[in-house]
Amino acid sequence: EVQLLESGGGLVPPGGSLRLSCAASGFTFSVSALSWVRQAPGKGLEWVSGISAAGGRTYYADSVKGRFTVSRDNSNNTLFLQMNSLTVDDTAVYYCAKDEAGYGNSWFLYWGQGILVSVS
Amino acid sequence: QSVLTQPPSASGTPGQRVTFSCSGSTSNIGSKSVYWYQQLPGTAPKLLIYRNNQRPSGVPDRFSGSKSGTSASLAISGLRSEDEADYYCATWDDRLRGPVFGGGIKLTVL
Repeated sequence: EVQLLESGGGLVPPGGSLRLSCAASGFTFSVSALSWVRQAPGKGLEWVSGISAAGGRTYYADSVKGRFTVSRDNSNNTLFLQMNSLTVDDTAVYYCAKDEAGYGNSWFLYWGQGILVSVS
Repeated sequence: QSVLTQPPSASGTPGQRVTFSCSGSTSNIGSKSVYWYQQLPGTAPKLLIYRNNQRPSGVPDRFSGSKSGTSASLAISGLRSEDEADYYCATWDDRLRGPVFGGGIKLTVL
C-alpha cells in the first residue's frame, strides 16, 4: 500500500523558515517523480514544486520560486521542501503527492494526508 | 485567478446527472491530458479521472470525463449524497511549465 506521510509543519512568523518532510513507502521511491501541492484555508489546490526521480530536475510555481527548495533522499525514501522567507500567503495545508508522469504531464494518484503550515 | 476556469458551484438532486465544465487554453487543455480530482471535506484530494476519460481502479462508472479542444467536462450520473464534495480539473501548462488546477467547483446534493 502506498503511503505518504508529511511532517514538519507548524506555526512560523513572517520571514521565517520551515522544512517539510514526506516519508514514502509502498512503492519504488527512487524511480518516482514527486510534487508538493498546497491548499490555503478555504481555497483551491495550488501546485508548488516538483522533482524528478533522481532529483536532477526541480521545478517551481512562480509564487515560490527563489524561496522554496525541493529535494529528496532516495536512500531514505523521503521528500523535502525547504521554505524560506515565508509570508502569510504561504499559510496552507501542504500535500506531498506521487507524480505518475513527471515533468510535462504531471498527475497525482497518491497523496499524503497533508500538513498545516501557518505563517503568522 | 486560476489558469483553468471552473464555475464555483453546482447542485443536483439524488439520481440526477450533473456536468461540470473546465475551460483552458492551447497551452494547457488544448495540448495536454486532463485530470479530475474529488476532495471530500477535510480530506486529501482523490484522483477521479486521468488522461481525459480514464477511471482509476475503484472509481464508479457513474463518473466520466471528456475533452474537446480547450475545454473538458466531468459528468456524474445517478447523483448520490456522498458525491457532495469539491471537484478540481487539472492539467499541465506548457507556458507556465508546471501543473495547474482549476479553481474548483463545490457540488451540493440537495
